[in-house]
Order: sequence, then C-alpha cells, then structure tokens
Amino acid sequence: SAVISQKPSRDICQRGTSLTIQCQVDSQVTMMFWYRQQPGQSLTLIATANQGSEATYESGFVIDKFPISRPNLTFSTLTVSNMSPEDSSIYLCSVGGWNLSGYTFGSGTRLTVV
Amino acid sequence: GENVEQHPSTLSVQEGDSAVIKCTYSDSASNYFPWYKQELGKRPQLIIDIRSNVGEKKDQRIAVTLNKTAKHFSLHITETQPEDSAVYFCARGFQKLVFGTGTRLLVSP
Repeated sequence: SAVISQKPSRDICQRGTSLTIQCQVDSQVTMMFWYRQQPGQSLTLIATANQGSEATYESGFVIDKFPISRPNLTFSTLTVSNMSPEDSSIYLCSVGGWNLSGYTFGSGTRLTVV
Repeated sequence: GENVEQHPSTLSVQEGDSAVIKCTYSDSASNYFPWYKQELGKRPQLIIDIRSNVGEKKDQRIAVTLNKTAKHFSLHITETQPEDSAVYFCARGFQKLVFGTGTRLLVSP
C-alpha cells in the first residue's frame, strides 16, 4: 500500500489566520481524501481531491473555508482558512480504493487554534 | 443515508475473552467494509476488510462477517490481549468511506 508523508504534524495558530497542510504520496494515486477528526470523535470526510479538477466537498464543508489543491497524482494540500477555535482538530489525508489494498492514512496534523 | 451506526461505544473485556463490535448501514451501493484500529495519538490502521461478494473473512484472531441483506457487519476479536486496547472504527463505502462512531475497547489483564 502507498506511503503518505503528511506535514506539519502539529501547529498552534492564531484565530483568523490560515494553515496549509501537505500530503505527499510515494506513488501515483487517482483519489486523495481529506478527513477531520475532532477530539474523541470519528472521522468525517471533508472532500475528495481530484487531479485536474475542483475538489468534491461533502455536506457542511465549503471551498472558501477548506480550499484544496491537487497539482499532480502524488500531492495535495488542504488549507484551513480564517481559523477559529472550533477548527481545532486532527486533519488527515487518505489514499486508496476498495478495489486496491484498501485506504491508508497520513500521520495527521493536530491543529490547535487559540 | 450516509450514517453508519456502531455499537457498543465502549467495551470492556478480560484478557482472553472475545470482543464483538457491530455496525449497520443503509446505503445499498456500499460494497466495501473495512475496520480500523486507532491507538491514542496515532493514525487509523486498517486491520481487516471485506467486500460485498464475501460473507466472512478471517485473519488470525480477527474476523469480520457481513450480512448484506440485513445491511450489517461485525468485527470479532478472539483471545483478546491488552495490546488490543484501542478505538475501533467500522466504515462502509464504494469510492469514499463513511465511518462509524467508534468503539473504545479496553482489555484488562
């Protein structure tokens, strides 16, 4: 299965600022996914990052708040914009497919907004 | 709908006992059902998965059963060990995954 390098691993940010999270995969993958995991909660899909087209956002998530880039088949970024304390969470990227060897996750970015 | 119901939310067992976690879903299009183990501060790790053309799959102490007609699937862990203590998530999907709410398993020595 693919190996994902995600950074930063953690950050403490001021409210109103933005943070960009990066995921680099060691092989070309068609689909990349971005999840949020709030403290003590399950994983919620934010969006699917598509190479060559706009990301597909899930209900409750919008592009202005979580812009995503997917410049090639091995890399994607998620930006958390105009942050508030409610954005404090772990953000994870994921790649894979049901017809492959499943889905694997990056190591996560622990974001604290103060 | 989207949701996956997962029960129980917490499960405490003695070392050597079996543990069973159950999930139900409603989306008939789902054909892939993985289970993830997440230890504190770490990423979710895939431990076993099953596809819709199979009713049961086993890997050493871990097994998953799927009843696609009833839309539920279960994780079975036998001979539990303290290192099995973690949060377990079920998920269902086709191209994207929707996760259950999680089960905190505590195995006491």
